[in-house]
Amino acid sequence: QLQLQESGPGLVKPSETLSLTCTVSGGSISSSSYYWGWIRQPPGKGLEWIGSIYYSGSTYYNPSLKSRVTISVDTSKNQFSLKLSSVTAADTAVYYCARTRITIFGVVAGLMFDPWGQGTLVTVSS
Amino acid sequence: DIQMTQSPSTLSASVGDRVTITCRASQSISSWLAWYQQKPGKAPKLLIYKASSLESGVPSRFSGSGSGTEFTLTISSLQPDDFATYYCQQYNSHAAFGQGTKVEIK
Repeated sequence: QLQLQESGPGLVKPSETLSLTCTVSGGSISSSSYYWGWIRQPPGKGLEWIGSIYYSGSTYYNPSLKSRVTISVDTSKNQFSLKLSSVTAADTAVYYCARTRITIFGVVAGLMFDPWGQGTLVTVSS
Repeated sequence: DIQMTQSPSTLSASVGDRVTITCRASQSISSWLAWYQQKPGKAPKLLIYKASSLESGVPSRFSGSGSGTEFTLTISSLQPDDFATYYCQQYNSHAAFGQGTKVEIK
């Protein structure tokens, strides 16, 4: 059974870079059928897709966050990672990683998420 | 960007009730819509994809319908385990979620 687990610091200072890793078990991140993604949820609020990556390194990013986001993959460790730079209090959220099902529409892709990791709370505060 | 709007934001219902949640897209997304269930402190769980296809293992009391810009999630007979928050998500272009509908006990 595929499982995903987020890890990383729970507290990040404003203006610094948030870094998280997702470890995949029970399956290979190098599967040709799936991307791997990050989604976040501020406390008490809704869900926001951050970005998704293929094992080859191909990425899709949310345009609203693209300037601050880098997602990378390490197939040897069956992991993928998120870096979000110049964080503010507005970036405080539970960050989830998830397997991403992708549907290609020409130059555009549609992304759906299942399963998800349990999530990790990252607080931005000095 | 495609915006997703759910209604109502909160819904009070009793066990056994038929419950319907509506999701509207700001432009046509064909049938590229998914529904998720989230319980407090837990990750979302995929229930329905392509507007009306039930994910494996999801009870048949859940159903989805719609196309274009208007979609519905229906729970035919609400069970105690169904009290949760439900999100729609378009995947016609990247991904965007609705703001959620909380189903609470009446």
